Formats: sequence, C-alpha cells, structure tokens
Amino acid sequence: KNEVEQSPQNLTAQEGEFITINCSYSVGISALHWLQQHPGGGIVSLFMLSSGKKKHGRLIATINIQEKHSSLHITASHPRDSAVYICAAHRENGNQFYFGTGTSLTVIP
Amino acid sequence: GAVVSQHPSWVICKSGTSVKIECRSLDFQATTMFWYRQFPKQSLMLMATSNEGSKATYEQGVEKDKFLINHASLTLSTLTVTSAHPEDSSFYICSVPRWAGVPGELFFGEGSRLTVL
Repeated sequence: KNEVEQSPQNLTAQEGEFITINCSYSVGISALHWLQQHPGGGIVSLFMLSSGKKKHGRLIATINIQEKHSSLHITASHPRDSAVYICAAHRENGNQFYFGTGTSLTVIP
Repeated sequence: GAVVSQHPSWVICKSGTSVKIECRSLDFQATTMFWYRQFPKQSLMLMATSNEGSKATYEQGVEKDKFLINHASLTLSTLTVTSAHPEDSSFYICSVPRWAGVPGELFFGEGSRLTVL
C-alpha cells in the first residue's frame, strides 16, 4: 500500500467547473505539498501545508491532520489548468518525501 | 527566477555510453538533493537521496553502480547514468528541499529527458 493515495487518477472537466482532487496519507507528516506538472515535465510547487487552508488565486488547498487528508480545489477551471497534480507528504522527523501517483486533469474549453 | 537548475534538459545517446546530469541549487546551499525518475504517464519515483560530502542513499531496486551520484559541493549534485541502455530512457528530475527559512519547502529542476538509442 502506498503511503500517499490520490484520487481521482484522471479527471476531465468543462471550463468553469469547480474541481477537487483528494489526497490521503498514512504516515506522520510535517508538511503536505501540492505540485503541478505540465506536459513539458517541469514541476512547480503550488502549496506547502501543515494545517488549515491556503489560497492562491483560484487554487485552494486544505488539510485535515486528524483525518490525514488533504484536498486541492480549483475554482472556475480553465484549459491552462490542464496538468498533472501530485501530492507529496514530507515525513515528520526526517528527510523523506512520499509522492502520490498524480491526478491528470484536462479542462476542455 | 529558477531556484534549481538542471542540465541538460534533453539528451540522446548511443547504447553503452555514459550520461551526466547536473542539478544546481541557485539560491541556497543544499546538503540534500533528491533524484527521481519518471516513466510516461507515471508519477515520480525516488531513486536516491544525494548527501553533500557523503555517499548517496539509494532506494531499493536502484543500482548504485548504474546510477552514480556525486554531491561534491553544497550547490551541485550530479547523476551519471553509466553504460546507458534503451531501458534507461526516461525523464530524470531533481529536487532540492530548503531546510532553513521555511523548512521543507521543495524546489524542482526542469528535468532531463534521456533517450538511449
């Protein structure tokens, strides 16, 4: 069983739709990261969370430490949001990061 | 600007040759860097943790003699794919965690696409 599970694996949405990607983890963490990987391969860190909620533009990330669950929301989705979104758990008391398998998002105009 | 620079971004080589990929931390010193491999439509797979001044820590199933890692300075780690074969063709990417300032902040290189003919 993976330490980090993401769902859904693939997601297709119409432009303007509200999108949610979920991430569950089984290890104790010091932080949870949401990453965005575009088709060219480059990866950008969107959020680093240890509690509560963060917002950046149309992106919102939340985390529930007790339930070991995090969500990434995209409001008013746009075709340029099409990418693979990956959650990564930074294990507490160490250097280890565990990665989810990614959610491939396609937003159709 | 970029915090981590990875070079080359793509490389094509003949089977049997060795290929070196560099990962540079531009903004801060890094005692640790991570190397990943990614096959098409799959997620990142951690290959090894590069430690400045000491041996790299390899994940299970990764051949250390095949994938040589050198972290000679606080800003540079290199991954050398030795005697490359077509099955080594993949996307290799490094990441650098920043432990100071905002601990655990993670920065990624642009990735290196290797094609072995």
